[in-house]
Amino acid sequence: GESVGLHLPTLSVQEGDNSIINCAYSNSASDYFIWYKQESGKGPQFIIDIRSNMDKRQGQRVTVLLNKTVKHLSLQIAATQPGDSAVYFCAEYTSGTYKYIFGTGTRLKVLA
Amino acid sequence: KAGVTQTPRYLIKTRGQQVTLSCSPISGHRSVSWYQQTPGQGLQFLFEYFSETQRNKGNFPGRFSGRQFSNSRSEMNVSTLELGDSALYLCASSLGTGGLLDEQFFGPGTRLTVL
Repeated sequence: GESVGLHLPTLSVQEGDNSIINCAYSNSASDYFIWYKQESGKGPQFIIDIRSNMDKRQGQRVTVLLNKTVKHLSLQIAATQPGDSAVYFCAEYTSGTYKYIFGTGTRLKVLA
Repeated sequence: KAGVTQTPRYLIKTRGQQVTLSCSPISGHRSVSWYQQTPGQGLQFLFEYFSETQRNKGNFPGRFSGRQFSNSRSEMNVSTLELGDSALYLCASSLGTGGLLDEQFFGPGTRLTVL
């Protein structure tokens, strides 16, 4: 399949441990944020989103934290599994400009 | 329900040529967005179509164009190809009623190589 981001930062995590993936966003006016997962040979897949009026949102095994003061977003994956191995990237959306800006991504490797 | 499909999956063209990529959205989805993904620039938004009209546009030159048909299928065209156009082109569909805030479902992409 296609390789996405050959020189991405890599996070290696032991199976069963928690993973934290970070993202710095660029626009203080952005009001909607999404985390995507992209496996090799596939398109991005929505994981979780958060609006700027929140600072935390939880899904199934995933939590997104938003710190607007420092323009930082993080994705926490609990009890990381081999199937979580993929590239993860964040996206910020600014309603006033109707534009998405995507982060370059982090490769998560789950070690058995 | 079938997912987003894109054709062709792989394409090789030479500089100066033009190319047309096709995207079939999930049934019932009226919005189709196109993205370019490269290792250096990551994912970049090209444009979005809704009800056969371009609703949003990214910062790409006019060589990149698209259209949407009445059945919501969309095509993207790149004219006068340049080496830098080599990329994975992704299409995403959504219901469209919430604009780009609707959850987007991505296809597997078309890998374009320009020689």
